[in-house]
Amino acid sequence: ETGVTQSPTHLIKTRGQQVTLRCSSQSGHNTVSWYQQALGQGPQFIFQYYREEENGRGNFPPRFSGLQFPNYSSELNVNALELDDSALYLCASSRTGTGNYGYTFGSGTRLTVV
Amino acid sequence: GEDVEQSLFLSVREGDSSVINCTYTDSSSTYLYWYKQEPGAGLQLLTYIFSNMDMKQDQRLTVLLNKKDKHLSLRIADTQTGDSAIYFCAEGGSSASKIIFGSGTRLSIRP
Repeated sequence: ETGVTQSPTHLIKTRGQQVTLRCSSQSGHNTVSWYQQALGQGPQFIFQYYREEENGRGNFPPRFSGLQFPNYSSELNVNALELDDSALYLCASSRTGTGNYGYTFGSGTRLTVV
Repeated sequence: GEDVEQSLFLSVREGDSSVINCTYTDSSSTYLYWYKQEPGAGLQLLTYIFSNMDMKQDQRLTVLLNKKDKHLSLRIADTQTGDSAIYFCAEGGSSASKIIFGSGTRLSIRP
């Protein structure tokens, strides 16, 4: 059983640029959630995808968007990057019906905006 | 609103017990969690407890839940150097919805 894999592991972007982060969900999982973890903080919920549609969203602006593909993998896109977007972005997958205790987190993508 | 609070730091002697405390605000939370994060790593689910339980024990870990006071604690018995990490308290609903995390408690172990 493979876990959640995220790519890339590290990324440096310039303010105003766009970035795409990728996540492969754990085998058998059909739901993907994205979290942003700023330095010294707990993870903050960005959004969740189920059946290729957004299934809940946190307090993040529309320039944060996502996709889920038929194989349940997912992308997080951030447009017009700002310095405050620098953070660790975590992806978590789960199987609907298992409740939140079924979440498996990836190791994250460290995004630095300069 | 939804909020989870925990102290930022805890230092314990190797071999002693560690107790990390947390308070939450959402009384409708169905699950309460403890996650562990080591440097440069993602989040590892240590344990969870249903909101209708008072206590859960899993090897060296004991979780106590006081639903009336919305207080959750994690006790790690016989704390080892490998337990050094940041521990996050979190709450979630009954469906596969979002999880609300605290800011984390950094546990350091002294010899």
